[in-house]
Amino acid sequence: QKEVEQNSGPLSVPEGAIASLNCTYSDRGSQSFFWYRQYSGKSPELIMFIYSNGDKEDGRFTAQLNKASQYVSLLIRDSQPSDSATYLCAVKRGRDAGGTSYGKLTFGQGTILTVHP
Amino acid sequence: DGGITQSPKYLFRKEGQNVTLSCEQNLNHDAMYWYRQDPGQGLRLIYYSQIVNDFQKGDIAEGYSVSREKKESFPLTVTSAQKNPTAFYLCASSVTSGGYNEQFFGPGTRLTVL
Repeated sequence: QKEVEQNSGPLSVPEGAIASLNCTYSDRGSQSFFWYRQYSGKSPELIMFIYSNGDKEDGRFTAQLNKASQYVSLLIRDSQPSDSATYLCAVKRGRDAGGTSYGKLTFGQGTILTVHP
Repeated sequence: DGGITQSPKYLFRKEGQNVTLSCEQNLNHDAMYWYRQDPGQGLRLIYYSQIVNDFQKGDIAEGYSVSREKKESFPLTVTSAQKNPTAFYLCASSVTSGGYNEQFFGPGTRLTVL
């Protein structure tokens, strides 16, 4: 089982629809969860992070976290063609025994999203 | 402007050559990271450093080396021991305390072996 799994897609949605991107993780010690957007040929751009169970909203984006099910998702409302990109889920463990937070991330393979007019 | 710069943007290497990729940041971040991305895949961690003069191997360190002599700089050398170096290389940085350690990425270097 991969540490972080995403459906590679491609996920195709019509303009104006809600796009739902899903991610599961295997390490129950994981504490923080990040969503990155990556346009073709470009570097990843952080769009949201979440650390508490429930929903976190930022504009058209909503991140959802369910630690009991080891599941995190990203919803994009009113999808636009400019949202077409690969979305990467990344997971970070909490503080280590030494009390420092070393920030190591494990990435999923990414989901390709296409929003068609 | 604060940010992360990587150079060169494109790099071509002949087999048997070592090449060094540059990564500089002016965000005053303590931690820096190197990732490799292959087509259709996520990012895999090569090396990371939380503090000057210290670094740790990531998941795929074989054939790579790094140094961290300055807080702002974390160069990556791809050695001839790396058998399949053609990939997109990404450098990132983050704080190490007082936040959730979000990582921010540079624009990347695309390495091709001829």
